[in-house]
Amino acid sequence: DAKTTQPTSMDCAEGRAANLPCNHSTISGNEYVYWYRQIHSQGPQYIIHGLKNNETNEMASLIITEDRKSSTLILPHATLRDTAVYYCIVRAIYNFNKFYFGSGTKLNVKP
Amino acid sequence: EAGVAQSPRYKIIEKRQSVAFWCNPISGHATLYWYQQILGQGPKLLIQFQNNGVVDDSQLPKDRFSAERLKGVDSTLKIQPAKLEDSAVYLCASSREVGAEQFFGPGTRLTVL
Repeated sequence: DAKTTQPTSMDCAEGRAANLPCNHSTISGNEYVYWYRQIHSQGPQYIIHGLKNNETNEMASLIITEDRKSSTLILPHATLRDTAVYYCIVRAIYNFNKFYFGSGTKLNVKP
Repeated sequence: EAGVAQSPRYKIIEKRQSVAFWCNPISGHATLYWYQQILGQGPKLLIQFQNNGVVDDSQLPKDRFSAERLKGVDSTLKIQPAKLEDSAVYLCASSREVGAEQFFGPGTRLTVL
């Protein structure tokens, strides 16, 4: 029932920007895009979320296309500690709809 | 602020045995979630509580799984009897309210032999 499509894995050189794409072509008007990541043997960690405007916080930037059918999570200067599985999730806020995590993208940051 | 606490961290049991997991959410968080994560897959929501009431348990195998959140704080998830396919990490998460950022605990890794 996942509503998003992500590449299975990506590589990124340490210090470079990591750009993780996500397709959500069936997103509806009241659904937000969330990003979480899961470092090995830990629980998932919230990164960022947005509705239609680009968002930035201390961890990452979220770029959502104008038609909202896709988005990109940007880690501006990837470090080895950013190696993790990144999950893109769409969900309507303030209701009880489930979070569908899908299989995510395994980001490998290499020295 | 203390994070979400879970115990035990690891559990090994034989099939048909019973097991229980405990979760203590972040203080003041009204919403509590239990997820099952099978190796190589993303977490799957089993049950969601709002205070001490269940708001979604549609993916909970109710013939063998049960969960409760007495007094709207701590929660326990029980499996009875366990099957081999229940081997997974069981994650507990909490949030201030529905739709807010979810904070996850470290999980309990269950191995059923």
